[in-house]
Amino acid sequence: NAGVTQTPKFRILKIGQSMTLQCTQDMNHNYMYWYRQDPGMGLKLIYYSVGAGITDKGEVPNGYNVSRSTTEDFPLRLELAAPSQTSVYFCASKAGLGTDTQYFGPGTRLTVL
Amino acid sequence: AQSVTQLDSHVSVSEGTPVLLRCNYSSSYSPSLFWYVQHPNKGLQLLLKYTSAATLVKGINGFEAEFKKSETSFHLTKPSAHMSDAAEYFCVVSENWYNNNDMRFGAGTRLTVKP
Repeated sequence: NAGVTQTPKFRILKIGQSMTLQCTQDMNHNYMYWYRQDPGMGLKLIYYSVGAGITDKGEVPNGYNVSRSTTEDFPLRLELAAPSQTSVYFCASKAGLGTDTQYFGPGTRLTVL
Repeated sequence: AQSVTQLDSHVSVSEGTPVLLRCNYSSSYSPSLFWYVQHPNKGLQLLLKYTSAATLVKGINGFEAEFKKSETSFHLTKPSAHMSDAAEYFCVVSENWYNNNDMRFGAGTRLTVKP
């Protein structure tokens, strides 16, 4: 199993550009999550999904969108990049309700200039 | 709502000496508590977790943590630090781990291990 994979590893965007961060898991997990990690801060939840076709907002959803068309994939979309979105983004998954351990991808480092 | 405070942003130890990373939590319920480790440019890896079973929890790589309800603490320890332990460590609290999205992360403690 590859676990949770994320692409790209690094990206530099200009203000106003758009991009999609990809996340794929091969563990057949129902729940998937997107977090951002700012310097000196813990992870903050952006969006999450409890299954294909179901998504919901987390703590800091503004400026982002998600979709979940399959169990494996959970892409995160930035429509109009802003410098405040400079961060490291982590995708995670867990098996489902009643399980506690989240498995994390290696992260995407995004810089918006 | 639950929250977690990691009392040290940076801890530096010498190789072979004990490690103590401190974490206090706040919760209205009986929480689940986790420690995750993040090595440079890597994702987060679960070290250990407490979910209302034994209060002394053993994890991977010789780490352990003790849940102390009276002190609302969940400190991470290791008897002897190794160079490979140098990383960022996150304490996480969850009141409803059986729910969807209830994990709250501490700000992290960076552990430096000197030769």
